[in-house]
Amino acid sequence: DQQVKQNSPSLSVQEGRISILNCDYTNSMFDYFLWYKKYPAEGPTFLISISSIKDKNEDGRFTVFLNKSAKHLSLHIVPSQPGDSAVYFCAAPHGSSNTGKLIFGQGTTLQVKP
Amino acid sequence: NAGVMQNPRHLVRRRGQEARLRCSPMKGHSHVYWYRQLPEEGLKFMVYLQKENIIDESGMPKERFSAEFPKEGPSILRIQQVVRGDSAAYFCASSQSGSSYNEQFFGPGTRLTVL
Repeated sequence: DQQVKQNSPSLSVQEGRISILNCDYTNSMFDYFLWYKKYPAEGPTFLISISSIKDKNEDGRFTVFLNKSAKHLSLHIVPSQPGDSAVYFCAAPHGSSNTGKLIFGQGTTLQVKP
Repeated sequence: NAGVMQNPRHLVRRRGQEARLRCSPMKGHSHVYWYRQLPEEGLKFMVYLQKENIIDESGMPKERFSAEFPKEGPSILRIQQVVRGDSAAYFCASSQSGSSYNEQFFGPGTRLTVL
């Protein structure tokens, strides 16, 4: 049962353009979402998060949008840079608020072309 | 402040052998999580530990897998009698608390290959 889904395995964009990565979830109890970025042979690193009481959170070039009614969130990167090329995972904590167990999507590989 | 450390980075085992993966959390962190990433998949939660306690092992296979986080020393993920299907990247993460809203910091992972 895949509770967090990233249906696009890969995305390719031109440097300077916008990258939009999508994520859907099925569990309406999720109230907090995170995006992680992962380079090859490294562990994931935290990028940005959003609470369900918000519909948008912005940090520099990165903005996450949350549509609770559609159970959908997206990560926007503007402008995209070659160094952004990586695998992006969305994730949500599952279970009680004191377990911290994260449920990850399958990931989307972003390639930003110079 | 060193990040999360995992060793070895690469581990090769033959079927039937034991694999021991180690994780040293960030300084000041007493909460450790283990995740497994199979090829072409996302990370899957395995187990959540605090010092000397297993808090949530709902993602651990019922047999051959065990984890510990002793009072002193690193957390250990142990896989007995490995099979080819155990080949994966194993990531450890640590956090200051077990709160869902507390950032988890990941180590570089151990890539296990079972021949």
